[in-house]
Amino acid sequence: ELKVEQNPLFLSMQEGKNYTIYCNYSTTSDRLYWYRQDPGKSLESLFVLLSNGAVKQEGRLMASLDTKARLSTLHITAAVHDLSATYFCAVESNYQLIWGAGTKLIIKP
Amino acid sequence: KAGVTQTPRYLIKTRGQQVTLSCSPISGHRSVSWYQQTPGQGLQFLFEYFSETQRNKGNFPGRFSGRQFSNSRSEMNVSTLELGDSALYLCASSRSVGTGIMNTEAFFGQGTRLTVV
Repeated sequence: ELKVEQNPLFLSMQEGKNYTIYCNYSTTSDRLYWYRQDPGKSLESLFVLLSNGAVKQEGRLMASLDTKARLSTLHITAAVHDLSATYFCAVESNYQLIWGAGTKLIIKP
Repeated sequence: KAGVTQTPRYLIKTRGQQVTLSCSPISGHRSVSWYQQTPGQGLQFLFEYFSETQRNKGNFPGRFSGRQFSNSRSEMNVSTLELGDSALYLCASSRSVGTGIMNTEAFFGQGTRLTVV
C-alpha cells in the first residue's frame, strides 16, 4: 500500500524566515504534486514534479523531487503572511492521487 | 478558461437519504476524479473516470457510486447517508494522456460541502 508522509504537520514561523516541508512516500512513483489549501477553500495546484531531480520555483516557494530517496521538499524562502495555508503533497498511482496529511503553515508578522 | 464546476456548493441531508453531486470538468479534460476530505481522514480517493469508464475505485462502501457522461461531466451518488459521510467532496479534472498515465496536472473544483444530520 502506497503511503505518503508529510512533516511537520504544523508549522508556525515568523515572517522573513526560511523553512522546508518534507514529503516521503513508500513506493516507486515519478509523479508528485504539491497543492495549497486555504481555510474553507478548494485545492490550488502549486507544482507538478515529473522526474527525478526535478526542481520548480514560483516566487518564494521551491519544490524538488528525489525519486531514489522517495522524497520531495517544499522550501519556503523569506516567508510572508500570505503564504499561510495548508500544504499537501500527493503521489500519483493507478489513476489516483495518494495524499499526505497536510502541513498547516502559520506565518506570523 | 472556465474551471472545474461543482454543484451544489452546500447540502444538508438527513440520515438515510441519498444525494447526487455534479462535476463539470474543464473543457477538453476527459478524466474526472472524486475525493472526500474530512478532518479525521484527510483526503481520500473515491473514483476516477475517463471516457465514461471507471478506471479505479477507492476503498469506500458500495453506497458510493459514480458515473461519467459522454460530455465528460460526472456525477457521484451516495445512498443511505450516514453521519460519517459529512465531508467536503472534491472533484478534479485532468487531460489524462495515454494509458497508464493519469495526468499532467489535476485541477480541483470548489467542492460540495455535505452535512448529514
